[in-house]
Amino acid sequence: EAGVAQSPRYKIIEKRQSVAFWCNPISGHATLYWYQQILGQGPKLLIQFQNNGVVDDSQLPKDRFSAERLKGVDSTLKIQPAKLEDSAVYLCASSLNRITNYGYTFGSGTRLTVV
Amino acid sequence: AQTVTQSQPEMSVQEAETVTLSCTYDTSESDYYLFWYKQPPSRQMILVIRQEAYKQQNATENRFSVNFQKAAKSFSLKISDSQLGDAAMYFCAYWDGAGGGADGLTFGKGTHLIIQP
Repeated sequence: EAGVAQSPRYKIIEKRQSVAFWCNPISGHATLYWYQQILGQGPKLLIQFQNNGVVDDSQLPKDRFSAERLKGVDSTLKIQPAKLEDSAVYLCASSLNRITNYGYTFGSGTRLTVV
Repeated sequence: AQTVTQSQPEMSVQEAETVTLSCTYDTSESDYYLFWYKQPPSRQMILVIRQEAYKQQNATENRFSVNFQKAAKSFSLKISDSQLGDAAMYFCAYWDGAGGGADGLTFGKGTHLIIQP
């Protein structure tokens, strides 16, 4: 089966600019996650979708970050305006059932550099 | 809040030798799951092994096994017969499902594993 697809692979922007990341989960996976991984740290959950509804966005900086999952398939994560501290790898993951059964499948992420 | 601690920022092992990566966690829950993920330079997180806290038997997956000590809140990963392809960042992760449907994993900071040929 095809994996979790993410694009772009790399992105360099200046602070205060906006950026968007795209994720296409594995076909049939109802749950989609966005994680932020700052250099030298483990990933941190930003938002979790179940189909097209938000389950958890408690760690999403809502003043600058937004995410949507239209039609319960693809998802887009946006940052506007970007700050230097947003430099990180943004990982998307999906799961068929709750993690207890299958665990996540991650994409290869987008590396964002804010200068 | 739950925390996961990996105290070894970097480990090095000779090819074909055995290496153990350490992980401790803090939780007040009795039922939870623990994971080891591998992250090569390609950045994709790959599930290595999973342990359910209610199972007393340690999980094994081919050359990978865990030593799960629930009372000590310790969850170490042993890699036997290390291969060059094992070189990567390894992350320990925790999940307890206490968030009412939220399935976010709590990760440690990772251990960089180097395999010496």
